[in-house]
Amino acid sequence: DVKVTQSSRYLVKRTGEKVFLECVQDMDHENMFWYRQDPGLGLRLIYFSYDVKMKEKGDIPEGYSVSREKKERFSLILESASTNQTSMYLCASRDMGTPNNEQFFGPGTRLTVL
Amino acid sequence: AQSVTQLDSQVPVFEEAPVELRCNYSSSVSVYLFWYVQYPNQGLQLLLKYLSGSTLVKGINGFEAEFNKSQTSFHLRKPSVHISDTAEYFCAASRDTDKLIFGTGTRLQVFP
Repeated sequence: DVKVTQSSRYLVKRTGEKVFLECVQDMDHENMFWYRQDPGLGLRLIYFSYDVKMKEKGDIPEGYSVSREKKERFSLILESASTNQTSMYLCASRDMGTPNNEQFFGPGTRLTVL
Repeated sequence: AQSVTQLDSQVPVFEEAPVELRCNYSSSVSVYLFWYVQYPNQGLQLLLKYLSGSTLVKGINGFEAEFNKSQTSFHLRKPSVHISDTAEYFCAASRDTDKLIFGTGTRLQVFP
């Protein structure tokens, strides 16, 4: 089974701090994704990565950056956290070779910015 | 632009009753369609998917969905729900791209 893990389940940070959210997958998937989930808004794509060192902006990239130095790891970075970035963050991965776009999700990180 | 609409934000239902969660997508070309479930404090888990072929798709935990191209719908159904089905359900679509477009979710609350 595909396993996608995220470094923290819960995280509390202060406004202005630099925050790193880590995601690791163990199935050699090329594609990886970061979403944020907010009530009434569903999942919105922040960034995704086709492969190592490749990244592309999603629908809401403002205030975020990403890093993909190794195939299995995709990091989401909040350069200067703000209270409106309090949310649930979900990481996902996908095998580029499958034709059906199925994505596999991690358990999520609930970030609170005070 | 392609979008996915889940018409009900919350669906309350009694245990052992049937349930339908509605999903409509906007597209005039072939799509891939998915239903994901999110149990409390967990990530998303795939329930079922439609790629092509039979329009009735069966998934895990007794759920099924029917692809209706003329109505651009992909409604999720279960004939008899259980307390453990209480969760949030997301419909998603993609069209030959690497990205999924999600609906806003439907919270299913099953009461004893």
